[in-house]
Amino acid sequence: EIVMTQSPATLSVSPGERVTLSCRASQSIDSNLAWYQQKPGQAPRLLIYGVSARDTGIPARFSGSGSGTEFTLTISSLQSEDFAVYYCQQYNKGPPITFGQGTRLEIK
Amino acid sequence: QVHLVESGGGVVQPGRSLRLSCAASGFGFGTYGMHWVRQAPGKGLEWVALIWYDGVQKQYADSVKGRFTISRDNFKNTLYLQMDSLRVEDTAVYYCARVRFCSSTNCNGYLDHWGQGTLVTASS
Repeated sequence: EIVMTQSPATLSVSPGERVTLSCRASQSIDSNLAWYQQKPGQAPRLLIYGVSARDTGIPARFSGSGSGTEFTLTISSLQSEDFAVYYCQQYNKGPPITFGQGTRLEIK
Repeated sequence: QVHLVESGGGVVQPGRSLRLSCAASGFGFGTYGMHWVRQAPGKGLEWVALIWYDGVQKQYADSVKGRFTISRDNFKNTLYLQMDSLRVEDTAVYYCARVRFCSSTNCNGYLDHWGQGTLVTASS
């Protein structure tokens, strides 16, 4: 099973700041990585797939990069609606597909 | 638009059974693979099971193998999860989710649409 590790667990940031979230895979997953956003009481929402492709309707301030085992999600200028938990997910090899433990973005 | 609605959750005693449903609309249900993913209270996401578009191939997480059964009715546009021998550790919100692409050999993709979830609580 491929283990996904996200860092940090929690990030305190101010609106308007640029933030970078990290995700590491325990082995190479090529470009088979997705990012999801989850707000309290809601289902996860797909943001990014294939490392860097934004899903339909996702604002351009969200961008993804990386390859192999190291990946990042960058939010260029945090908006109030971006404070949430973010999960990475690998789909290179499965079952199972596996998720990171999440990074919580909170308002500083 | 794509719409997934889970139902069937509730409180059940450990060892008992429960069947979840996921009603799909707004897309060609019979042409997409489907997954169940769960989230224990305050925890992260855990994959549970997947089923190919035709209902023939199925895969399960080790934690539920032999106890849970995924199935689908493409005429009713509905996905199911039969959960038997429930354990306290199965307590979670259960989400159904659509996988964007499946090949003939691989349905482990990214999940582009999710339902709102249904809460299952296994407690005595």
